[in-house]
Amino acid sequence: AQSVTQLGSHVSVSEGALVLLRCNYSSSVPPYLFWYVQYPNQGLQLLLKYTTGATLVKGINGFEAEFKKSETSFHLTKPSAHMSDAAEYFCAVSNGGATNKLIFGTGTLLAVQP
Amino acid sequence: ETGVTQTPRHLVMGMTNKKSLKCEQHLGHNAMYWYKQSAKKPLELMFVYSLEERVENNSVPSRFSPECPNSSHLFLHLHTLQPEDSALYLCASSQGISYEQYFGPGTRLTVT
Repeated sequence: AQSVTQLGSHVSVSEGALVLLRCNYSSSVPPYLFWYVQYPNQGLQLLLKYTTGATLVKGINGFEAEFKKSETSFHLTKPSAHMSDAAEYFCAVSNGGATNKLIFGTGTLLAVQP
Repeated sequence: ETGVTQTPRHLVMGMTNKKSLKCEQHLGHNAMYWYKQSAKKPLELMFVYSLEERVENNSVPSRFSPECPNSSHLFLHLHTLQPEDSALYLCASSQGISYEQYFGPGTRLTVT
């Protein structure tokens, strides 16, 4: 069975500072990994995904994430936070099988201080 | 219309009312989902439809009744709801249930 853990339900950074949102997963087979962002009163929007190939994945809005198999992690980063990055971020995992759906983490609320 | 659309965006209903939420995807996907998102709670998967057949029903009360008449449309029929059912209801679709899901903007439901 797969699972995903997001450490830190709330993260606060200053504008211009590094953003680091943590995600660890559990999967018995090579995982597919995803990060989503949700702005207030909106649906979830796909930021980036890892399925196979290059382990450093670049997404929209300057975000990127690195798949580290040895650490079972897929942390999301952005070098310089912008006020517009304030939102909730969700990590998700699946194993790509025909019957295995995405499992979402509990989310991390990112606040950006001026 | 593009992506996943949901109507209505906001709904206020009494506990004795019957209403329906509608979701439509314009992406050619073969799987659709209903999620419930309550304040300070994790995203809750309610129903999964794959190829128009329900493949998952996560112990959702019978006052919520899904319907998937074709691969592009998904409904959630609501009746005799409780105040604790007030939440953001999100619809999503994907091409295969293991792959990235695309979400609609949600319906904000308030039960009075």
